[in-house]
Amino acid sequence: QLQLQESGPGLVKPSETLSLTCTVSGGSVSSSGHFWGWIRQPPGKGLEWIGSFSYDGSTYYKPSLKGRITISVDRSKNQFSLNLNSVTAADAAVYYCARHWEYWGRGTLVTVST
Amino acid sequence: EIVLTQSPATLSLSPGERATLSCRASQSISGYLTWYQQKPGQAPRLLIYDASNRVTGTPTRFSGSGSGTDFTLTISSLEPEDFAVYYCQQRSTWPLVFGPGTTVDMK
Repeated sequence: QLQLQESGPGLVKPSETLSLTCTVSGGSVSSSGHFWGWIRQPPGKGLEWIGSFSYDGSTYYKPSLKGRITISVDRSKNQFSLNLNSVTAADAAVYYCARHWEYWGRGTLVTVST
Repeated sequence: EIVLTQSPATLSLSPGERATLSCRASQSISGYLTWYQQKPGQAPRLLIYDASNRVTGTPTRFSGSGSGTDFTLTISSLEPEDFAVYYCQQRSTWPLVFGPGTTVDMK
């Protein structure tokens, strides 16, 4: 059974970089035909897709985040990561990683505060 | 960017009743519409993909229909565990977009 687990700091200061890692078990991030992504959900609000990458290495980002967001893959560790720089309070959310879209991590809460 | 609108925002029903949830796209997305269920404190759960295909484990009381711009998720007879928030999502074009959600709560 495929499992995903988000990890990273739960508190980030404004203007700094949010960095999260998704560790995949029970399957491979390199498996053909699959897309993997990050979704966030501000407290009490709806779901927001922020970015994905495909098995062939293509990346796709939410347009309003372009320039701040990078998704990268470490195939040797079976992990993928999210970097979001210059964060503000608007970036505070539960961040989920997922394999489009049947398998999700449990989510990790990121707070932006001094 | 495609915009998804969900209606109603909240649906107040009793167990055993039929729930009809709507999702409308700002332009045609063919049949590339996905439905999710989310309960408090949990990750979303994929229910239906490509408008009408239930994933393994989705009860048959859930059905999806539609194409183009108008889609419907129907729960034929609400069970207590069905009270949750439901989101639609389009995968026709990048960027992917979620609708704002419909809350199905108990009357």
